[in-house]
Amino acid sequence: GAVVSQHPSRVICKSGTSVKIECRSLDFQATTMFWYRQFPKQSLMLMATSNEGSKATYEQGVEKDKFLINHASLTLSTLTVTSAHPEDSSFYICSARDLVAGLAGPIRVPEQYFGPGTRLTVT
Amino acid sequence: QQPVQSPQAVILREGEDAVINCSSSKALYSVHWYRQKHGEAPVFLMILLKGGEQMRHEKISASFNEKKQQSSLYLTASQLSYSGTYFCGTEREGTYSGAGSYQLTFGKGTKLSVIP
Repeated sequence: GAVVSQHPSRVICKSGTSVKIECRSLDFQATTMFWYRQFPKQSLMLMATSNEGSKATYEQGVEKDKFLINHASLTLSTLTVTSAHPEDSSFYICSARDLVAGLAGPIRVPEQYFGPGTRLTVT
Repeated sequence: QQPVQSPQAVILREGEDAVINCSSSKALYSVHWYRQKHGEAPVFLMILLKGGEQMRHEKISASFNEKKQQSSLYLTASQLSYSGTYFCGTEREGTYSGAGSYQLTFGKGTKLSVIP
């Protein structure tokens, strides 16, 4: 199956600093990637949909100025947590879907592949 | 609209069977099942598409009842490695018939513990 990587896997930062998390699709091109946040013992909550070459679409309640998303290429999306606070501590996971050639043009493979996640701790 | 999973938690002895359900109040295009172990990212198990067939992966199978908008995950002869939290992710029907909305909404999860 397709492989999605994330970097870093763990990061500890001080309150007020910014942290960048990278999400890469290693063996396929992903025009769309998704960013999720998961608090302990809770479900995955979609934060935003990252579209290559255009602005990200944020879910209700997610501050777009605080969580900056850049999808600069077909294989890389970044999430920057700006002015991080302890309440931003969480497990951040990205995912992507593959595109394959269909008879009438590219089609999206329905499976969504997740990266290994980044555990952010803000002190 | 977050899908509803049941049960919230289940404890099994090795070799026993379990069923996890996932229900939605909206028309679905697909249902995705994942297993997540503590501290790790979710691992894809299988996907069920609207109009598709029941899926199977080793001793884990799943079905999708389009009338009820409900999917069930069946774990047969459970193994210790099956322990983890199972999430269903639902994809609603998109604007155009026959297409998905492309986004997944996850249920709250079902914690499965398999003991010797």
